Amino acid sequence: KAGVTQTPRYLIKTRGQQVTLSCSPISGHRSVSWYQQTPGQGLQFLFEYFSETQRNKGNFPGRFSGRQFSNSRSEMNVSTLELGDSALYLCASSRAGGAFTDTQYFGPGTRLTVL
Amino acid sequence: GENVEQHPSTLSVQEGDSAVIKCTYSDSASNYFPWYKQELGKRPQLIIDIRSNVGEKKDQRIAVTLNKTAKHFSLHITETQPEDSAVYFCAAYTGGFKTIFGAGTRLFVKA
Repeated sequence: KAGVTQTPRYLIKTRGQQVTLSCSPISGHRSVSWYQQTPGQGLQFLFEYFSETQRNKGNFPGRFSGRQFSNSRSEMNVSTLELGDSALYLCASSRAGGAFTDTQYFGPGTRLTVL
Repeated sequence: GENVEQHPSTLSVQEGDSAVIKCTYSDSASNYFPWYKQELGKRPQLIIDIRSNVGEKKDQRIAVTLNKTAKHFSLHITETQPEDSAVYFCAAYTGGFKTIFGAGTRLFVKA
């Protein structure tokens, strides 16, 4: 089975721009979670999607948004980029998440640099 | 709010020694506790997990213990090897389709 994939792998943007990141989960996985990873901060939960519905979100400003498509692929968007948004953005997929608490498999991440 | 504290932030051991990483969670409803290993430039990978109805789980050189009363869980690595050098993250599934991660422990295993 192919693993979780993310595109693009690297992005360089300037302040004020917006960016869209994509995540394709493992085939058959319907839950996709997004995390922001910065040095010393671990992985900060952004949001989780299942069957095109956002079931939970973390403590991030409204500039961070996401969506999920019917094929379970997910995108996240960051508008009006700030320098502090520079980070590695990871997505993780699992079969269903929730009560099943099944294993999350991570993608390679998208490294976003905001200049 | 929901929080997972992880200690130490850095751990250096001699090859062959044991390493212990400790985490504390705040949400008593947490019921699933995975541990991930992240090597430099790579994605986090699950190494072991434990559910709230189990007190201990072992997989070869790796073991995890859970104390629900104290809201503590720990990762134990025995007979450490240089390839164990990485950043380790503990996490707690809080319910509500949300997993909270600790800040990570950078483990150095000196040959």
